[in-house]
Amino acid sequence: AQSVSQHNHHVILSEAASLELGCNYSYGGTVNLFWYVQYPGQHLQLLLKYFSGDPLVKGIKGFEAEFIKSKFSFNLRKPSVQWSDTAEYFCAVNVPNFGNEKLTFGTGTRLTIIP
Amino acid sequence: DGGITQSPKYLFRKEGQNVTLSCEQNLNHDAMYWYRQDPGQGLRLIYYSQIVNDFQKGDIAEGYSVSREKKESFPLTVTSAQKNPTAFYLCASSPRGRAGENIQYFGAGTRLSVL
Repeated sequence: AQSVSQHNHHVILSEAASLELGCNYSYGGTVNLFWYVQYPGQHLQLLLKYFSGDPLVKGIKGFEAEFIKSKFSFNLRKPSVQWSDTAEYFCAVNVPNFGNEKLTFGTGTRLTIIP
Repeated sequence: DGGITQSPKYLFRKEGQNVTLSCEQNLNHDAMYWYRQDPGQGLRLIYYSQIVNDFQKGDIAEGYSVSREKKESFPLTVTSAQKNPTAFYLCASSPRGRAGENIQYFGAGTRLSVL
């Protein structure tokens, strides 16, 4: 079974700092990858996704992620964070398997941005 | 207004009591999911359903039960056999798409506590 590791449990940054959150998965075959975000008091929502094609994917609010197959990684980046990026971020993986679709989530990274 | 509605927002359970969490969606999605969120553990899948009248156990199904009698509804019962039910419960749904392209949409969650 696949697993997802997010090694940064809590990250604290000042506004305008650059961000990189790590995500590694354990499955060796074809995968689909996701980053979800949970802002305080709001629903969990999709930030960005990778299914195929260009390994550098762009999402909402200036976030991007790069799929590096050789490293089993899908790290999330943002060049300059804002206070409003304070949230919890979850990486998730899905192994395409007809009729048996489910996501496996990482443990999450809590991001705190200091104004 | 399309979306996923979870109720109640807060729920309290007495020892030995079964409680049912409601999840309704008007997005016409085929698949529905229940997750449990605990601090530092991310989201763990309890049960999921790809179609009406069918559902599968997730990673932590013990002490829980579900039904899927209607496409728009997927209630979760936390039984007395679940010894540590205090958690935040999230319901999600996803449309039928190509295999693995499983974009899930989440409700606002139900926070369950034990009295």
